Amino acid sequence: AQSVTQPDIHITVSEGASLELRCNYSYGATPYLFWYVQSPGQGLQLLLKYFSGDTLVQGIKGFEAEFKRSQSSFNLRKPSVHWSDAAEYFCAVGGDSNYQLIWGAGTKLIIKP
Amino acid sequence: ETGVTQSPTHLIKTRGQQVTLRCSSQSGHNTVSWYQQALGQGPQFIFQYYREEENGRGNFPPRFSGLQFPNYSSELNVNALELDDSALYLCASSPRGGTAGYTFGSGTRLTVV
Repeated sequence: AQSVTQPDIHITVSEGASLELRCNYSYGATPYLFWYVQSPGQGLQLLLKYFSGDTLVQGIKGFEAEFKRSQSSFNLRKPSVHWSDAAEYFCAVGGDSNYQLIWGAGTKLIIKP
Repeated sequence: ETGVTQSPTHLIKTRGQQVTLRCSSQSGHNTVSWYQQALGQGPQFIFQYYREEENGRGNFPPRFSGLQFPNYSSELNVNALELDDSALYLCASSPRGGTAGYTFGSGTRLTVV
């Protein structure tokens, strides 16, 4: 079955600290992997995506993610978080020939001043 | 280039009523997908339209239906509204079928009372 697991419902980090959000997936074909961010009451903004090639991908707002096929993981990282990063983060998996994204339940990021 | 726009932004309906949500796709995008996001959850795929035809459907009952128009804009119709239909409805467009190039709108918040 196709699925995405984000094990952490909430994560609290101090401003300026590093961040890692976890994502594990199960997908039968070559996966396309995505991280999206959602501010309260808003739509989804794409942070970064992985289709093929270099397993470390850079995104917007200083985020990066690393694809590890052997661990079926696509964890999101940022070296130093800002208060404006407080939001909900969603990991999703899809495919080139598939028509739907499968989403995780999201991780809510809380920033301590 | 314009992004994906959805209307209305908020809507309150009574159980049993019918509702129509609208989406204008990003310029150059011929594919539109609809997602339902219940509070505190990740989005769930409803269906996708590609060149005016339904291209795939998620696990939603037939009272959820859609249309895509020649200009690639789209409507989501929900009949016989139930309380559980209360959610944020997200539209995403892409330049072709599949999931690679999704751009999301800000969503329509539907409340069923």
